[in-house]
Amino acid sequence: GQQVMQIPQYQHVQEGEDFTTYCNSSTTLSNIQWYKQRPGGHPVFLIQLVKSGEVKKQKRLTFQFGEAKKNSSLHITATQTTDVGTYFCAGRRGAQKLVFGQGTRLTINP
Amino acid sequence: SAVISQKPSRDICQRGTSLTIQCQVDSQVTMMFWYRQQPGQSLTLIATANQGSEATYESGFVIDKFPISRPNLTFSTLTVSNMSPEDSSIYLCSVEVAGGFSEQYFGPGTRLTVT
Repeated sequence: GQQVMQIPQYQHVQEGEDFTTYCNSSTTLSNIQWYKQRPGGHPVFLIQLVKSGEVKKQKRLTFQFGEAKKNSSLHITATQTTDVGTYFCAGRRGAQKLVFGQGTRLTINP
Repeated sequence: SAVISQKPSRDICQRGTSLTIQCQVDSQVTMMFWYRQQPGQSLTLIATANQGSEATYESGFVIDKFPISRPNLTFSTLTVSNMSPEDSSIYLCSVEVAGGFSEQYFGPGTRLTVT
């Protein structure tokens, strides 16, 4: 079945450092979504990427979808304490269900 | 977007009993889902709640253990039956508002502990 692998599992950074999490699928995806889950909270939708090679930005967050539509990344520039949480990618192949990656837990030293 | 509420927010239950979790959405939605999330883990889809028909279960989840109802386009319930400590988890309801496999909005979750 479809699998979505996400690395790293954990990342600890100093406030102000950059952070990147990577997502890889075993199959070509129709689209990929990114979610953020704060500690004790529920996943919150951040963005959806659909096109091959697509790049989208949200303030300090940059999202990329690979040319082959099998991988994606989320990069945060100059992290802030408000960025703490677990970031999940979720991929969909055609009309199939959304498959979530394992998540990357980001902690920040102020 | 959608505003989703879940009840109860948490519960501690004895093994062998059952718990029904309610999910209420503030607008009519086509797709509703139930997920399970172990602490520190990813989200695992239990089933898709279908309005007016039986839910569609994922591999490893069966109707006898997790019966689901969806009487209308704004409400669904998930029952965790004959609970064991292995069922201790966070159960999340989610919805897709727009058609065409769009983003999902999640409820606040129900934290279940089985003793």
